[in-house]
Amino acid sequence: QTVVTQEPSLSVSPGGTVTLTCALSSGSVSTNYYPSWYQQTPGQAPRTVIYGTSTRSSGVPDRFSGSILGNKAALTITGAQADDECDYYCVLYVSNGIWVFGGGTKLTVL
Amino acid sequence: EVQLLESGGGLVQPGGSLRLSCATSGFTFNSYAMSWVRQAPGEGLEWVSSISAFGGTTYYTDSVRGRFTISRDNSESMLYLQMNSVKAEDTAVYYCAKQKTGTATNFDYWGQGTLVTVSS
Repeated sequence: QTVVTQEPSLSVSPGGTVTLTCALSSGSVSTNYYPSWYQQTPGQAPRTVIYGTSTRSSGVPDRFSGSILGNKAALTITGAQADDECDYYCVLYVSNGIWVFGGGTKLTVL
Repeated sequence: EVQLLESGGGLVQPGGSLRLSCATSGFTFNSYAMSWVRQAPGEGLEWVSSISAFGGTTYYTDSVRGRFTISRDNSESMLYLQMNSVKAEDTAVYYCAKQKTGTATNFDYWGQGTLVTVSS
């Protein structure tokens, strides 16, 4: 069974830089897994931030960037702002129509 | 403007059935794969099922395969999830999600979700 792992929580200072990662239980994440990232605030639907590894969704500020770092997918926020504080989820396309979400990262900006 | 509106959630007893619906607008429905993603209370997101644009191909996560059926009505721009033999662990908010193109592409738009509670 494929497990996708994210940091449970991270914190960043306002204006600082933080990198969230997304790892596979078996093997390395590559662009072939079409990693994407979603923001979610409590009680709200998820919002797409990054898709296809590094493409920003419409309306997403350019302080958000996606990449492959080593053997993981990564979401970097450069110049974090207070309203970036929320939960972030990555998802990977692992095989034949099957998607697996990571457990999510709770980002605190303080 | 793309809009997705789920309905059909509610309280259902273990072993019972429920049918979720997702009404869509603002895009050419029959050109896009669609999915259901759920979120148990206080937990993370979990992909449940996807269906190709014309409905000919479906996929399920292991925990619902054989109990849930995804379907679509392209003439009505509607997505469905038939949930049978439900279990307590199926309790979650169920989101309808549009995919960017096919089933191997990301989820780009989401509905607001409908809550399913499985309890006696």
